[in-house]
Amino acid sequence: GAGVSQSPRYKVAKRGQDVALRCDPISGHVSLFWYQQALGQGPEFLTYFQNEAQLDKSGLPSDRFFAERPEGSVSTLKIQRTQQEDSAVYLCASSLVASGSYNEQFFGPGTRLTVL
Amino acid sequence: AQKITQTQPGMFVQEKEAVTLDCTYDTSDPSYGLFWYKQPSSGEMIFLIYQGSYDQQNATEGRYSLNFQKARKSANLVISASQLGDSAMYFCAMREGNFGNEKLTFGTGTRLTIIP
Repeated sequence: GAGVSQSPRYKVAKRGQDVALRCDPISGHVSLFWYQQALGQGPEFLTYFQNEAQLDKSGLPSDRFFAERPEGSVSTLKIQRTQQEDSAVYLCASSLVASGSYNEQFFGPGTRLTVL
Repeated sequence: AQKITQTQPGMFVQEKEAVTLDCTYDTSDPSYGLFWYKQPSSGEMIFLIYQGSYDQQNATEGRYSLNFQKARKSANLVISASQLGDSAMYFCAMREGNFGNEKLTFGTGTRLTIIP
């Protein structure tokens, strides 16, 4: 079946522009995660949804970052007034169940954001 | 303190040899899960293996096994009979707690290169 998809795959933005990154999770997956991966680093957690509820947004670096999942399926990560330090790969992941000790997260291919 | 430490930035291994990728972790929660992911140059994170803190036996999945030493807080990944397709970044990750905390904390990764 289809995996997690993300669009666009690549995005170039001028400093100060707003961007929106889309994630389509695996159908039926309850949980959805956003991670930020800087060059040469491991992914860092941004935020987590269970269905349409945003249960954890502790990793969002500033109030310029906003995520939503209004119908409990597709999610959008929005970054306002982009800065150069926002340049990174943004990974989306989904998992089937709400929680549990073994709750494999399936990752999408990521969106590479470059802010000039 | 880093929650996940991967001390090998890069490793070169001859094809068909076994390789061990190191991972140590830090948590005070008695319930946690440890994951290994592979990230090829395409960027997608591929789940390899999982070990729960209460699991009595080391996890195995095909050519992958996890050398789990709880007292030492280490969870090293062993790849047997390495193949050229194993060349990639490898990340160790931890999920703390059993329910409610779903986010993964990743290490900085190890770049594995298999030499023909």
